[in-house]
Amino acid sequence: QVQLVQSGAEVKKPGASVKVSCKVSGYTLTELSMHWVRQAPGKGLEWMGGFDPEDGETIYAQKFQGRVTMTEDTSTDTAYMELSSLRSEDTAVYYCATGAGGAFDIWGQGTMVTVSS
Amino acid sequence: DIQMTQSPSSLSASVGDRVTITCQASQDISNYLNWYQQKPGKAPKLLIYDASNLETGVPSRFSGSGSGTDFTFTISSLQPEDIATYYCQQYDNLPRFTFGPGTKVDIK
Repeated sequence: QVQLVQSGAEVKKPGASVKVSCKVSGYTLTELSMHWVRQAPGKGLEWMGGFDPEDGETIYAQKFQGRVTMTEDTSTDTAYMELSSLRSEDTAVYYCATGAGGAFDIWGQGTMVTVSS
Repeated sequence: DIQMTQSPSSLSASVGDRVTITCQASQDISNYLNWYQQKPGKAPKLLIYDASNLETGVPSRFSGSGSGTDFTFTISSLQPEDIATYYCQQYDNLPRFTFGPGTKVDIK
C-alpha cells in the first residue's frame, strides 16, 4: 500500500524559505495526485495546493500564490513543497496527502515548521 | 470560493451517547463531501467519503448523510477512542479543496 514519509522538523527565521519533502513508497509518484495541507498550532486544516491530473498542472490556493512551489522528482518518487518569505504565521505542521477522487486517504506523518527569530 | 461551516465547534458527551455534527456548504456541492478524524499529534484519517460511504476498516458506528448544502456526521455510540477533532471537507470544485473548521469531541 502507499506510504508517505516526510522530512524532519525545521526551524527557520522570518524571511527565509523552507523545503519539505514527501517520499512515496508502494506506488510511483506518477500514479498519484499529491497535495499539501497545513495546520497551525491549535488550528484547523488548510489546503495549500496540489497536482491536477486533468491538465497535468499544479494549482495553489490563492492565499499562497507566489510564495509556494510544489515540485516532484519522479526519479526518486519524492514530492516537495517549498514556501518562501516565511513569517511567524507560517508556523505549522505541513502534511502531504493523496487519494482517489476528492478524498485524502493517505497522509504523511507531518513536518513541523517553526518560524522564529 | 466555497466556504464550509461546522457546528458545534466542540461538544462533550458520555460514552454510549449518540453524537451528531453538522456541516454546511456555502453553495450546492452535491455529495462531494468527506469526513476526517484527527487525534492529537496525528495526521487526519478519512472516515466517510462521498457524504455517506464508510471507508474500509472504519467502525460502523460512524455514518454520514446529506447532499446539497447540508450534511450530518453521526457517531451512534460514542467510545473513548473516538475523542478527536472531526473535519468535513468539500471537493466540488476539484482540484481545489476546502475543510470545515472542525468539531472537537470530548468525553463528559
